[in-house]
Amino acid sequence: DAGVTQSPTHLIKTRGQQVTLRCSPKSGHDTVSWYQQALGQGPQFIFQYYEEEERQRGNFPDRFSGHQFPNYSSELNVNALLLGDSALYLCASSLARNSPLHFGNGTRLTVT
Amino acid sequence: GQQVMQIPQYQHVQEGEDFTTYCNSSTTLSNIQWYKQRPGGHPVFLIQLVKSGEVKKQKRLTFQFGEAKKNSSLHITATQTTDVGTYFCAGWSNYQLIWGAGTKLIIKP
Repeated sequence: DAGVTQSPTHLIKTRGQQVTLRCSPKSGHDTVSWYQQALGQGPQFIFQYYEEEERQRGNFPDRFSGHQFPNYSSELNVNALLLGDSALYLCASSLARNSPLHFGNGTRLTVT
Repeated sequence: GQQVMQIPQYQHVQEGEDFTTYCNSSTTLSNIQWYKQRPGGHPVFLIQLVKSGEVKKQKRLTFQFGEAKKNSSLHITATQTTDVGTYFCAGWSNYQLIWGAGTKLIIKP
């Protein structure tokens, strides 16, 4: 039973560029949440997707957008990258919105 | 806004000593979840508490949820090197999962 898978594992981008990160949820999970975790900090909630809709959003600018596909996989897009966007981006899936989260290994994004 | 305060930020212990981290919420929580993140890893779900006053044990780990459902604690007895990592609480309130800042458990050499 595959857990949450994320790709790519590492990414280096230049300021101003755009990036797309991908996530496949754990089998049987239909809810996907995205988090940003800066070094030494706790996870910061970006948004949650359910039934292909953004159900909830954290305090992140519109440069951060996402999508959920009919097979429940999800993408996180970040436009106009800033140096401060350098972080570990974690995808988590769950059975329901308030159920325990199962995290993927994350994508380490470095913006130079 | 809604907050979950988690203390301490760091705890240095000798191997074999106990470790405790505390979480306090500004609002009543419908449940509280605990996660462990090893260095270089991702958060891993440990347990969820739902009922007022609930106490759950996992081997050397004891989790408590306060009577008012506003606070929680994690206590580790006789720490081992495998316990090293950062422990996060996350409470569900008003359709939001609110994370504490984490407590980093460091074993003194």
